[in-house]
Amino acid sequence: AQSVTQLDSQVPVFEEAPVELRCNYSSSVSVYLFWYVQYPNQGLQLLLKYLSGSTLVESINGFEAEFNKSQTSFHLRKPSVHISDTAEYFCAVSRSNTGKLIFGQGTTLQVKP
Amino acid sequence: DADVTQTPRNRITKTGKRIMLECSQTKGHDRMYWYRQDPGLGLRLIYYSFDVKDINKGEISDGYSVSRQAQAKFSLSLESAIPNQTALYFCATSDRDTGYTFGSGTRLTVV
Repeated sequence: AQSVTQLDSQVPVFEEAPVELRCNYSSSVSVYLFWYVQYPNQGLQLLLKYLSGSTLVESINGFEAEFNKSQTSFHLRKPSVHISDTAEYFCAVSRSNTGKLIFGQGTTLQVKP
Repeated sequence: DADVTQTPRNRITKTGKRIMLECSQTKGHDRMYWYRQDPGLGLRLIYYSFDVKDINKGEISDGYSVSRQAQAKFSLSLESAIPNQTALYFCATSDRDTGYTFGSGTRLTVV
């Protein structure tokens, strides 16, 4: 069975500061890893994903995540956040690109001016 | 039109009532899912369907049932709603090329 743990339920940060949202997973098989973002009163949008290849993956809006197999982690980082990054972020794991997604508990990123 | 449409967007219902949440998609995906979101718990899988004839229980299927009427339609029913089923419900589809697509959600309140 797979599981995902997001270690922080809320992360407050000032605008233009760096941020890291932590995600650890457990699985006895190879997995695919995802980060989704949910802006207030909206559905989920894919932010980035790791399927294979380079362990560092990037999104179009400046976020990046690194797959670390030895530490079973997939932390999300951004060097400088904006007010518009305020949202809830979910880490998820799956055995395939199309299979069941197992989600973490979510981390609320609160960017303050 | 949205690729994955959920109706209704919001619903308030009374304890004991039967309610159906509907999901339709224009993606042409075979795989469809129902998740519920609760604060502090993330999203949890209720039911999933890999094609019209294949329906499977997720981790929290008790108290729910589903119907896959066609490739494009996947409905979730609460036979007798209870207050702890108050949540935000998401329908999703997936395929190999595009991965997952989520609907906008249905906010259900059971009073």
